[in-house]
Amino acid sequence: GEDVEQSLFLSVREGDSSVINCTYTDSSSTYLYWYKQEPGAGLQLLTYIFSNMDMKQDQRLTVLLNKKDKHLSLRIADTQTGDSAIYFCAETLSGGSYIPTFGRGTSLIVHP
Amino acid sequence: GAGVSQSPSNKVTEKGKDVELRCDPISGHTALYWYRQSLGQGLEFLIYFQGNSAPDKSGLPSDRFSAERTGGSVSTLTIQRTQQEDSAVYLCASSSRTGLGEQYFGPGTRLTVT
Repeated sequence: GEDVEQSLFLSVREGDSSVINCTYTDSSSTYLYWYKQEPGAGLQLLTYIFSNMDMKQDQRLTVLLNKKDKHLSLRIADTQTGDSAIYFCAETLSGGSYIPTFGRGTSLIVHP
Repeated sequence: GAGVSQSPSNKVTEKGKDVELRCDPISGHTALYWYRQSLGQGLEFLIYFQGNSAPDKSGLPSDRFSAERTGGSVSTLTIQRTQQEDSAVYLCASSSRTGLGEQYFGPGTRLTVT
């Protein structure tokens, strides 16, 4: 079966890097996504990575994918207070029905 | 262009009453999803519509929950005889069939059953 797991909380100081981790169980993942949810809002796609890639960089965001260990991470450089939010990883499966599986979300708290 | 909109933004109802939640997806998006987000929980998939195909209802938690999508656009999620455990934020998302399949979410409807 498919399952996506994340740690629930992460606290960092402003200016430091944040690393949010995610593990998944299904090796037939096609796309892996990171979504951000700010208070009172819906989820917003931050970035994504194809399963045949191992790294993607987008400004302050770096996504690393270790397919062997089924481990996905999101690194936010120079974390700001505006980055405080809940971050969800999600996967869709090849040949699947386009219904992504989401993790429970990691609440990132950035303090001065 | 407009994003996904949902109404109402907040709904307080008494136990046993029926409620209807509305979702307006992005124009041209053929896929529409409903999720439930309870406090401290992740996203619980409820139902998925894709074009004119039969919806995937596999996530609906009970027969009190139903959803329709009229004209391939607006969707309504109906919860009959609401229970306190139905209290949650209900999120709608739409997606284009092409591309990455990334989803665009509405702001959600916060449902409180008293």
